[in-house]
Amino acid sequence: GEDVEQSLFLSVREGDSSVINCTYTDSSSTYLYWYKQEPGAGLQLLTYIFSNMDMKQDQRLTVLLNKKDKHLSLRIADTQTGDSAIYFCAEDLSGGSYIPTFGRGTSLIVHP
Amino acid sequence: DSGVTQTPKHLITATGQRVTLRCSPRSGDLSVYWYQQSLDQGLQFLIQYYNGEERAKGNILERFSAQQFPDLHSELNLSSLELGDSALYFCASSVSEGVRSNEQFFGPGTRLTVL
Repeated sequence: GEDVEQSLFLSVREGDSSVINCTYTDSSSTYLYWYKQEPGAGLQLLTYIFSNMDMKQDQRLTVLLNKKDKHLSLRIADTQTGDSAIYFCAEDLSGGSYIPTFGRGTSLIVHP
Repeated sequence: DSGVTQTPKHLITATGQRVTLRCSPRSGDLSVYWYQQSLDQGLQFLIQYYNGEERAKGNILERFSAQQFPDLHSELNLSSLELGDSALYFCASSVSEGVRSNEQFFGPGTRLTVL
């Protein structure tokens, strides 16, 4: 996961927006993914974005991609306590297959 | 419940041993993916099978192998186990060959402890 970097922790208040950031180093990445892992649970694919897109919105989730800076972010609007989890960013360099490289994950803590 | 089952839930074994982890995908899903999550290595994609054939290979060690059977269940074989192989091994499934929608479903994982 050395090629994908994320900050380790983020703490927000319930109802605020959360922004989880990720940087990747390979500009040839085709797909970028966000996964969620709740405490003691398995993984969940939240969303993904193709590298020719700048933004993707899905209900409370907004993904922004800045290819110039190799920066990906996940914004969660109206963050709830149920959003507390570890969020993993992943880049896919395979160019058509699925071979993700994951970051170390950002622990999102939502407090009342 | 995602519909993906993994057995066993926990496995404790010794260095040098060989183990087999089993995954049954959701009904109708043709793709199976294997991941390893450890404190040292973080989360890593290991390998993907689609309808019995290997489709993508990630950071899977040569000591590890996998296969997908005609009934679509998959097994991950880990041999010559080392302490560093202690990890949570996840399996996931999807109906399609690639992960291009949010439809990838994960099992609860098998926790392997190598002593």
